[in-house]
Amino acid sequence: DIQMTQSPSSVSASVGDRVTITCRASQGISSWLAWYQQKPGKAPKLLIYAASSLQSGVPSRFSGSGSGTDFTLTISSLQPEDFATYYCQQANSFLATFGQGTKVEIK
Amino acid sequence: QVQLQESGPGLVKPSQTLSLTCTVSGGSISSGSYYWSWIRQPAGKGLEWIGRIYTSGSTNYNPSLKSRVTISVDTSKNQFSLKLSSVTAADTAVYYCARGPYSYFQHWGQGTLVTVSS
Repeated sequence: DIQMTQSPSSVSASVGDRVTITCRASQGISSWLAWYQQKPGKAPKLLIYAASSLQSGVPSRFSGSGSGTDFTLTISSLQPEDFATYYCQQANSFLATFGQGTKVEIK
Repeated sequence: QVQLQESGPGLVKPSQTLSLTCTVSGGSISSGSYYWSWIRQPAGKGLEWIGRIYTSGSTNYNPSLKSRVTISVDTSKNQFSLKLSSVTAADTAVYYCARGPYSYFQHWGQGTLVTVSS
C-alpha cells in the first residue's frame, strides 16, 4: 500500500490567512493526487485532482501543487466556510489511500 | 448532475453480513468510463477505500477486506451494492458510495451509518 502522510494534523488560522497543508506519499505517485474537504456530518468534497487541477465549482483560492512524493494544498485567503478537515488521497493505483486529515480550525 | 444515495440497515449483528445499496440518479450507471466505489469512515477517524466496480462489471477490492467483500451492480435498477461478511465492531462506520474517473472520487453519497452490535 502507498502510505499518505499529512502535516500538520491541525492548524489554527484566522479569516484571511494563507494556509498550507502538505502531503507526502511513501513512494512516487507522479501527479495522481487529490484533495478533499470534509465538514462535520457531510461527505468529502473533491477540491483538486491530478495534483493541481481545480474541480469545477471550487473557488480559485484553493490551489494544489507538487509531483512525485511531495504535495501541497494552499488556501490563499481563508474564508469562514473553509473551516473543515482536509484529506489528500493518492490515485496512482486502484488501492486508493488517504492521508489522516488536517483540521483547519478558527484561531 | 449525478446523485448517489446509500440505503440499508443501520444495525447489523456481529458475524452477520452488512448489505448496502447505492442508488444512482441523474445518469446511467452503465454509461461513461466510471468507477463506482465504496468508502467508509469510522467515527472521528479517516477514510478507508473498500472497493469498486467498473461500468464493465470488473471489480477491485482493498486487500485488507478482500476476503469479506463483494461489490455488484444492477444496471436495471441503476444501483450498485456492497456486501461485507463476518462483521465485527471494527466495521462500525459511516459508509459512502462514490463515483469517479480513475481512482478519484468526484461524486459522493451523503453516507449511511452502520453500527455492528448485538
